[in-house]
Amino acid sequence: QLRLQESGPGLVKPPETLSLTCTVSGGSIRITSDYWGWIRQPPGKGLEWIGSFSSSGGTYYNPSLKSRVIISVDRANNQLSLKLSSVTAADTAVYYCARHPNGSGPPQGIYGLDVWGQGTTVTVSS
Amino acid sequence: SYELTQPPSVSVSPGQTASITCSGDKLGDKYACWYQQKPGQSPVLVIYQDSKRPSEIPERFSGSNSGSTATLTISGTQAMDEADYYCQAWDSNTHNYVFGTGTKVTVL
Repeated sequence: QLRLQESGPGLVKPPETLSLTCTVSGGSIRITSDYWGWIRQPPGKGLEWIGSFSSSGGTYYNPSLKSRVIISVDRANNQLSLKLSSVTAADTAVYYCARHPNGSGPPQGIYGLDVWGQGTTVTVSS
Repeated sequence: SYELTQPPSVSVSPGQTASITCSGDKLGDKYACWYQQKPGQSPVLVIYQDSKRPSEIPERFSGSNSGSTATLTISGTQAMDEADYYCQAWDSNTHNYVFGTGTKVTVL
């Protein structure tokens, strides 16, 4: 059974860089037909897609965050990572990682985000 | 930027049908999916590819997508269906995986 687990600091100071890791178990992050993404949810607000990575399809970022985000993969440890630079209080949120099966090529959004981690809360405060 | 708009709230009596709409420019030309999120929990995929259900999702959940509107329908709504629901679609023009604004479903 595929499981995703987010980890990282719960408190980040502005304007430092937020760094999170998503560990994948019960499956491989190397599967070329899958995208692996980060999503966040500020307190009391809706969901926001941050970006996604695929071994075959490349990396895609939310245009509104693209200048501050890097998503990468550690294939040896089956982990997905997120780095968000120059954080402010507006980046305070629960951060989730999730899988979206896709097939080859760019994302198509056909199959949705079918497996999610439990989320990790990040607070940005000095 | 591409936007998906949902009603903030929908109320339904137990056993009745709840319909949640999601509106976006030419949404019918994209694939819509829907998520259920209960307080303090991660979202759960309930509909993908406009109208398909993951195997573990009850048959009372159904979806459709045409024109500029996707709709999630919950037939025979139960108290356990009380949650926030979000639609989502991939916008190939902006390369953005967009979520809707979210709808709180209350079972009265």
